[in-house]
Amino acid sequence: GAVVSQHPSWVICKSGTSVKIECRSLDFQATTMFWYRQFPKQSLMLMATSNEGSKATYEQGVEKDKFLINHASLTLSTLTVTSAHPEDSSFYICSARPRTSGTYNEQFFGPGTRLTVL
Amino acid sequence: GQQLNQSPQSMFIQEGEDVSMNCTSSSIFNTWLWYKQDPGEGPVLLIALYKAGELTSNGRLTAQFGITRKDSFLNISASIPSDVGIYFCAGLDNTNAGKSTFGDGTTLTVKP
Repeated sequence: GAVVSQHPSWVICKSGTSVKIECRSLDFQATTMFWYRQFPKQSLMLMATSNEGSKATYEQGVEKDKFLINHASLTLSTLTVTSAHPEDSSFYICSARPRTSGTYNEQFFGPGTRLTVL
Repeated sequence: GQQLNQSPQSMFIQEGEDVSMNCTSSSIFNTWLWYKQDPGEGPVLLIALYKAGELTSNGRLTAQFGITRKDSFLNISASIPSDVGIYFCAGLDNTNAGKSTFGDGTTLTVKP
């Protein structure tokens, strides 16, 4: 159980285009999902917390108009990188916390999406 | 903000050796999580710890939640080549909107 999928697994796009990344919890419901980006040989950097039915909470320094997050259902969150530029190239990873976890705070990660902006 | 110090940054060991890595924090956490990340993949949860002093095993992996709630360690016994990867600790408390604070990772290389 506790499987999280991401789509696409990799994407190459031209500068100026927008890219949407989907994060799905396959066998559980998640009221909270998190979006991270990771540069090579570095740790995960939290970008935003996505709560079902409400606006995402962005970390300091992350532009909310640049990285649009929609948590439309208990199993789906999307991250849209708008007007992507080469500096947005990175590994984007989502995680999901099961709705029933209560005091148990596990996060389960998706396999990541490699974004390359030319 | 909260910070985790994870050490060592990297380890090069021989197959069959035991490995130990740890995380320390200036803040108290209510939950400690240990993940492993393979290249090009998302992190996979290895062990979750919920109580101070708790010692939990998962196969050859053992992790402990420090009694002060400010540290945790992960041990790997009898390492094998597939243990290669980056290991991350993560701490959570009840005051940070459920967000995890991640360590910088320990890169493990196992020589056959």
